[in-house]
Amino acid sequence: DTAVSQTPKYLVTQMGNDKSIKCEQNLGHDTMYWYKQDSKKFLKIMFSYNNKELIINETVPNRFSPKSPDKAHLNLHINSLELGDSAVYFCASSQEDRAYYEQYFGPGTRLTVT
Amino acid sequence: AQSVTQLGSHVSVSEGALVLLRCNYSSSVPPYLFWYVQYPNQGLQLLLKYTSAATLVKGINGFEAEFKKSETSFHLTKPSAHMSDAAEYFCAVSDRGATGGFKTIFGAGTRLFVKA
Repeated sequence: DTAVSQTPKYLVTQMGNDKSIKCEQNLGHDTMYWYKQDSKKFLKIMFSYNNKELIINETVPNRFSPKSPDKAHLNLHINSLELGDSAVYFCASSQEDRAYYEQYFGPGTRLTVT
Repeated sequence: AQSVTQLGSHVSVSEGALVLLRCNYSSSVPPYLFWYVQYPNQGLQLLLKYTSAATLVKGINGFEAEFKKSETSFHLTKPSAHMSDAAEYFCAVSDRGATGGFKTIFGAGTRLFVKA
């Protein structure tokens, strides 16, 4: 029974298109995150939601819009895709928005923009 | 702001040898530190974490890390490497974001190679 799941696992699309990635966690956690991992494996937080409320919004282009319909789901919509958006996107969750809680990661979505 | 620095982007050891992956942190307050492992084409999973309860922290798969405040270090070790340990390892620290929520700051990662 997967704790944090993401769909799709692979996404290949052309520049200018709009795409969405979905994430679900069945751990009963309050806090969810989106991360971007580039080709050098560098991992950077994009957004964080706590109980459906946006609490972290790093310097991410406005083309990226997260949505949390409920505590268990956090989706990421990307408009007008660019070549530089190619990366692996990870969803994660933690029990609460506290410094000492570890995060549980999904398997990732590999986005390739051509 | 908190940060972590991992020394060495690649580390290669022989099977059965000691594994030592280095991490130094920068923090103005007592830090919460983590080590995560990422196997190829997978998400990250927690190896261990330091939350000030004990300076020597034991994790999964035989890994442990020691928090040394005087050296601002949190190095990861394993006495005997196994082929299955080959992966990317990330040191991380919790930090408070500008809007109050907590976020995890990851190091650049260290790729561990294990030779037969």
